[in-house]
Parts: sequence; structure tokens; C-alpha cells
Amino acid sequence: GDSVTQMEGPVTLSEEAFLTINCTYTATGYPSLFWYVQYPGEGLQLLLKATKADDKGSNKGFEATYRKETTSFHLEKGSVQVSDSAVYFCALSDGGSNYKLTFGKGTLLTVNP
Amino acid sequence: DVKVTQSSRYLVKRTGEKVFLECVQDMDHENMFWYRQDPGLGLRLIYFSYDVKMKEKGDIPEGYSVSREKKERFSLILESASTNQTSMYLCASSLAAATEFYEQYFGPGTRLTVT
Repeated sequence: GDSVTQMEGPVTLSEEAFLTINCTYTATGYPSLFWYVQYPGEGLQLLLKATKADDKGSNKGFEATYRKETTSFHLEKGSVQVSDSAVYFCALSDGGSNYKLTFGKGTLLTVNP
Repeated sequence: DVKVTQSSRYLVKRTGEKVFLECVQDMDHENMFWYRQDPGLGLRLIYFSYDVKMKEKGDIPEGYSVSREKKERFSLILESASTNQTSMYLCASSLAAATEFYEQYFGPGTRLTVT
């Protein structure tokens, strides 16, 4: 079945540091890929998405590129802020059952001033 | 602004009690979902509904049931709560389409403790 593997946290960075959170996936067919973010005390919000190979999703300074050859969708940000502290989830939708999301286990990011 | 609300943020129940978790969305979405979120396990889908009175099992339906009598409301029912059902429960909703993925909108979650 489908699966998503993302780097284990917690990740602790200083403000303005570069962020990478690795995500790889296993899926049949051609999945769509997503990053969701969960701020403390809140539900999940869609951060960015990519629906086909080589697409780059971007939002709020975050970027991720859909790499079919390496089955990866790594999240990056050039300069993190304290307000980016949250849990980040990588997820995929396999397209066959377009309603269903398969999530990774989440990565807790803490950014210190 | 889109909104998914859940009836309680925190809930404490005793083993064996019947528990109802309510979710309401105001976006006229066809699809609604219940997930549970556990540390180290991420989010796992319990049940999914694609229309009123229609439901499908997710990955971990055992010990749960659901009800969708109105389009905007999706209830998760723990028939006889057990301590291993202590968790964060998240409701979500989305539009539906055969060929396109629509964003799922999440509620704030209900943290359920079963003692």
C-alpha cells in the first residue's frame, strides 16, 4: 500500500537558519503530494502541494519539488522564523481514491530566537 | 472563511461509556473525514463519508462507528470507550471530484482521555 516516510524530529533551529525536512513516498500510479502544517493548539492547514513530477509547490517562503526519480518531496525554507514553529506533515493522495490522504508521522520544528 | 468546528476541545470519559464526537462544516462539502492523531504515528483515517448516510471504513475503524444524517454534520461514535482510544481526534471536510484532489480543511481537534 501507499506510505510516506519523513525525517524524525524534533528539529530545533535558530531564527534565520535554513530548513530541510525530508519526505519520501511509496505509491502506485502518480500520486499528488502535500505538506500540511499544524500550529500549536490548531488543526492541520495545507501549506503547499504538487500534482505531477517536477512541479514545485510554494507558499509562505516554503518550497518543495516533486521528484519522481527519487520518490521525494522535501520541504525547504531559506530563513525560518519563530512563527514557523509547528508540526509538519508530508502526505500523498494516490489519485485512484482521490479522497484519501496518507500521512507521514509528522516532524516537530522548534525555532528559537 | 471556511470553518470546521468540533463540539469539544477536551473530553474525559470513563471506560465503557458511549462517546459522541461531533463535527460541523459550513462549506457545503460533500466529503467528511475522521482521523486520530497519535505521537509517532501521525494521522490515521478512521472513517470517511462522501454523502449523507454514506460511509466507508478507513484504516482503523475497529471500535468506532459514524453517523451522517445531514450534509454539514459528521459524528464519530465510540460504542464502548477503552483506554487505547485516548487520542486526539481530528475532523476534516472537502469538496469532491472524480479527477481532482480538493484540499481537506481540518477542525481544531478533540483531545479525548479515557480513564
